[in-house]
Amino acid sequence: GAGVSQSPRYKVAKRGQDVALRCDPISGHVSLFWYQQALGQGPEFLTYFQNEAQLDKSGLPSDRFFAERPEGSVSTLKIQRTQQEDSAVYLCASGSGRGAGELFFGEGSRLTVL
Amino acid sequence: AQSVTQLGSHVSVSEGALVLLRCNYSSSVPPYLFWYVQYPNQGLQLLLKYTSAATLVKGINGFEAEFKKSETSFHLTKPSAHMSDAAEYFCAVSAPQGGSEKLVFGKGTKLTVNP
Repeated sequence: GAGVSQSPRYKVAKRGQDVALRCDPISGHVSLFWYQQALGQGPEFLTYFQNEAQLDKSGLPSDRFFAERPEGSVSTLKIQRTQQEDSAVYLCASGSGRGAGELFFGEGSRLTVL
Repeated sequence: AQSVTQLGSHVSVSEGALVLLRCNYSSSVPPYLFWYVQYPNQGLQLLLKYTSAATLVKGINGFEAEFKKSETSFHLTKPSAHMSDAAEYFCAVSAPQGGSEKLVFGKGTKLTVNP
């Protein structure tokens, strides 16, 4: 596609519910990143894929967070048993993987946990 | 490890005035440096990047930034602010030698432009 697409744009969940956030990267992009952006803060790294391989998941805050990219394209970030502190905007970014450093960001999925 | 410090979480300027947003970085290897802009309810858009070529980098919308290794700085400037520049600006650093495009962001600076 022309850009990085994320869905849903807005999600309201009750505490304890599971949620799944989808990212459709730019076609042909090898790298895919997930970031978490709390209100008034900068994006914080969660995890990184190169094709279907998850090479770095050091930023995932707990084992309730799980990400996958089974075919090296679309990725899903899943949060189990959501807590209020999970409320944030989740940003997905993709890159060419050639080390030029430029990432292209989606508009984000805003999660509100009540 | 890498980090970015943005001095001033809020900056307010008058329309037509100079814009200066400060960014200092820490990196154990030669870094790549970036400025991104974020408008309300939107994703991040790249303004400009430094990738070890020219130290003065020009970006979109009249913005530019200068890489100063001795000061570990990468401040963003624009000679004359426009109302449409009001947004949040993020400085970011990456370590390309590791082969990853992973970015580490600062906390951001919200720019307000007054008429």
